[in-house]
Amino acid sequence: DGGITQSPKYLFRKEGQNVTLSCEQNLNHDAMYWYRQDPGQGLRLIYYSQIVNDFQKGDIAEGYSVSREKKESFPLTVTSAQKNPTAFYLCASSMGYNSPLHFGNGTRLTVT
Amino acid sequence: GIQVEQSPPDLILQEGANSTLRCNFSDSVNNLQWFHQNPWGQLINLFYIPSGTKQNGRLSATTVATERYSLLYISSSQTTDSGVYFCAVEGTTDSWGKLQFGAGTQVVVTP
Repeated sequence: DGGITQSPKYLFRKEGQNVTLSCEQNLNHDAMYWYRQDPGQGLRLIYYSQIVNDFQKGDIAEGYSVSREKKESFPLTVTSAQKNPTAFYLCASSMGYNSPLHFGNGTRLTVT
Repeated sequence: GIQVEQSPPDLILQEGANSTLRCNFSDSVNNLQWFHQNPWGQLINLFYIPSGTKQNGRLSATTVATERYSLLYISSSQTTDSGVYFCAVEGTTDSWGKLQFGAGTQVVVTP
């Protein structure tokens, strides 16, 4: 079955450590996205990539980094510079311009 | 950037009832989508609807782009309809891919 796989589902880290969240899709979508969701709030865009080897900052990119070396993979690194990293992180993909967005099941990151 | 307002923020329905959720946006859009987030956090795309009307089972949506709003209709609600409904838009002046999400409408359907 085609879909978007995020791993792990839950992640716990100590403050000061970098952590990488995995996102893989087998939908053959060109575009991939990372969103952050805080409790009771909407989604905010962290980074997005319209094509392999290219990505753009979203609204809250500070303290995060990404890479897009393969079409199917778009990992997100939460660095120690991110002041409030505890959140629900959602990866999404789409075929491209003006096409429906599809989400993975998310990773809940807790940093203590 | 474009502003997205959803109303009402919360809605409690008895099973079988109908309801309407609204999404207002501040500028012209070329992309508007509705999503449902279930209580476990999973987000499902309900509609891609920058204009016009679409129906999918008990759900339907209408976007009136010239008046800058979209409506999501839930008919004969079921407990499985509970969750948060999000509207997301992309303004015509934004680079593509930058969907802006509203704060959502929390829906609870009681048996």
